[in-house]
Amino acid sequence: GAGVSQTPSNKVTEKGKYVELRCDPISGHTALYWYRQSLGQGPEFLIYFQGTGAADDSGLPNDRFFAVRPEGSVSTLKIQRTERGDSAVYLCASSFGRSNTQYFGPGTRLTVL
Amino acid sequence: ELKVEQNPLFLSMQEGKNYTIYCNYSTTSDRLYWYRQDPGKSLESLFVLLSNGAVKQEGRLMASLDTKARLSTLHITAAVHDLSATYFCAVDKGGGADGLTFGKGTHLIIQP
Repeated sequence: GAGVSQTPSNKVTEKGKYVELRCDPISGHTALYWYRQSLGQGPEFLIYFQGTGAADDSGLPNDRFFAVRPEGSVSTLKIQRTERGDSAVYLCASSFGRSNTQYFGPGTRLTVL
Repeated sequence: ELKVEQNPLFLSMQEGKNYTIYCNYSTTSDRLYWYRQDPGKSLESLFVLLSNGAVKQEGRLMASLDTKARLSTLHITAAVHDLSATYFCAVDKGGGADGLTFGKGTHLIIQP
């Protein structure tokens, strides 16, 4: 079946703008994760959903970052008042339940000018 | 705070040689994952190691886990150019928390 998909693949925005990044997980996967990867680094955990609820949002760097998963499938990561330091590749992953192998999407490359 | 350290961070080797990548982590964790990332691409799952002494092999790659030493290894046998990539180990945060903590990755270049 289809893997994890993310849109857009690239997003260029200006400092202070609002952006939304979308993730469509593998069908049937109940767990969904967002990570952020800066150049030359490993992915950094942001938030985890089990179903519709955010079970762990301890990785969100500040209150400018917010994510939703209203129907337990597609998720949207929202970033307000973007800053240049937010530039990174945002990765989404899904798994069939907690603590199982996470399958990653292709990522959204966010550039804040 | 859980820390995951990989070494080496950069490795250049010749085809046909063997080498090992090491992954140390700082706290008790149940599961250890290895991923591969090609330039400009996302992460591909290689291995999931679930218990002390676990060993898994796929082609020229073999991964093992020693939970007492908090150490996992990824061994490459008779390397070929196609294995050139960045390899990450990752550990469950544990303690009821979720998400993975990744190492910085090992950038592997295999030269003909």
